[in-house]
Amino acid sequence: DSGVTQTPKHLITATGQRVTLRCSPRSGDLSVYWYQQSLDQGLQFLIQYYNGEERAKGNILERFSAQQFPDLHSELNLSSLELGDSALYFCASSVSPTGQDTQYFGPGTRLTVL
Amino acid sequence: AQTVTQSQPEMSVQEAETVTLSCTYDTSESDYYLFWYKQPPSRQMILVIRQEAYKQQNATENRFSVNFQKAAKSFSLKISDSQLGDAAMYFCAYRSAEYGNKLVFGAGTILRVKS
Repeated sequence: DSGVTQTPKHLITATGQRVTLRCSPRSGDLSVYWYQQSLDQGLQFLIQYYNGEERAKGNILERFSAQQFPDLHSELNLSSLELGDSALYFCASSVSPTGQDTQYFGPGTRLTVL
Repeated sequence: AQTVTQSQPEMSVQEAETVTLSCTYDTSESDYYLFWYKQPPSRQMILVIRQEAYKQQNATENRFSVNFQKAAKSFSLKISDSQLGDAAMYFCAYRSAEYGNKLVFGAGTILRVKS
């Protein structure tokens, strides 16, 4: 158990819908990272938040957004869902904002878009 | 942009034997970190081992060790005394020391362990 929690574990929804994925980092970690793992694109970095502020952006679609709240939990919002958004979404956390330490991953949320 | 290549889509090893998984990377940076993550059927991403590029000594964690060749940009993982629980997908990952916000992953290698 990494100490990073993600809810829900599984999510099934229809095209065009909007969903919210939630992540709670390890105790003491201020950075939260979101990754997408899909069959065709592998594991890709989406976005990082540090202490409530966006820190780095990767291959995140405009239909996707994220935020980190004062209690440091983070939410990834996916809207206007398409079939291709079906993937495993991971959250990871670490202490520092600059990546000098190790990222620990949560168990992931499996999103299926029908 | 940095890239990570794992040229072995799948590997097999007999229980108690040794197996080596290959990884190469491309970067123009001199300071960075390299990782091996394990993803078992549960899909959880588990850190196996970490190597700092400025360290010449190869990292070791119990039965797991790496062969880090900086000039060749190679970072292989050796698993000794393989166990059934080692069966998983293994990902090699790169992280910049200067812009270390994201992990760049390879495509992964499926490791099968035969009893």
